[in-house]
Amino acid sequence: DAMVIQNPRYQVTQFGKPVTLSCSQTLNHNVMYWYQQKSSQAPKLLFHYYDKDFNNEADTPDNFQSRRPNTSFCFLDIRSPGLGDAAMYLCATSGGRLADTQYFGPGTRLTVL
Amino acid sequence: AQSVTQPDIHITVSEGASLELRCNYSYGATPYLFWYVQSPGQGLQLLLKYFSGDTLVQGIKGFEAEFKRSQSSFNLRKPSVHWSDAAEYFCAVGRRVFGNEKLTFGTGTRLTIIP
Repeated sequence: DAMVIQNPRYQVTQFGKPVTLSCSQTLNHNVMYWYQQKSSQAPKLLFHYYDKDFNNEADTPDNFQSRRPNTSFCFLDIRSPGLGDAAMYLCATSGGRLADTQYFGPGTRLTVL
Repeated sequence: AQSVTQPDIHITVSEGASLELRCNYSYGATPYLFWYVQSPGQGLQLLLKYFSGDTLVQGIKGFEAEFKRSQSSFNLRKPSVHWSDAAEYFCAVGRRVFGNEKLTFGTGTRLTIIP
């Protein structure tokens, strides 16, 4: 089945130690999104790629970076994780057309010690 | 700016009873609206969406939602809930910004099902 895959599902890192989260898709979608979801809150868009064009949300901290080496893969890099960065990180994809559905991966739960 | 309000943080319903989850949106243009469901520790799954046309939208798992422009609402309904419907439900409004699609989510409604 076509899908959105996130690895790892659970990630533990230390305060200040860089961490990379991975997302891959078999849907061949143009757009890939990264969301941060803290406990009992709505998903918050961090940034997205339309093909190779990177679009950052205005309030996304500089500590968060992203890479999209090809259509299938997208990475979220957190350069110096703080305790406040502990959250579920969700990757989503869409075809990029008007009102297209976003398809979500299962998420990566990040713990910062 | 667009926004979504889900006034009910937590709803408890008996299995077999009917369900209505409320969603109100604020958006300057014609909205397109989504309902997603999230089981614990999982990603979001689309239940249904409204883009245009018939204001009563059918979705998966027996859910439906009705778009009411005059009330700026997009409430989710199910005539008879099952224990497996226990989850978090998010309403979202989509918008197109410089050719890119973005979603703004409500804060969610947690649904508990009791036997």
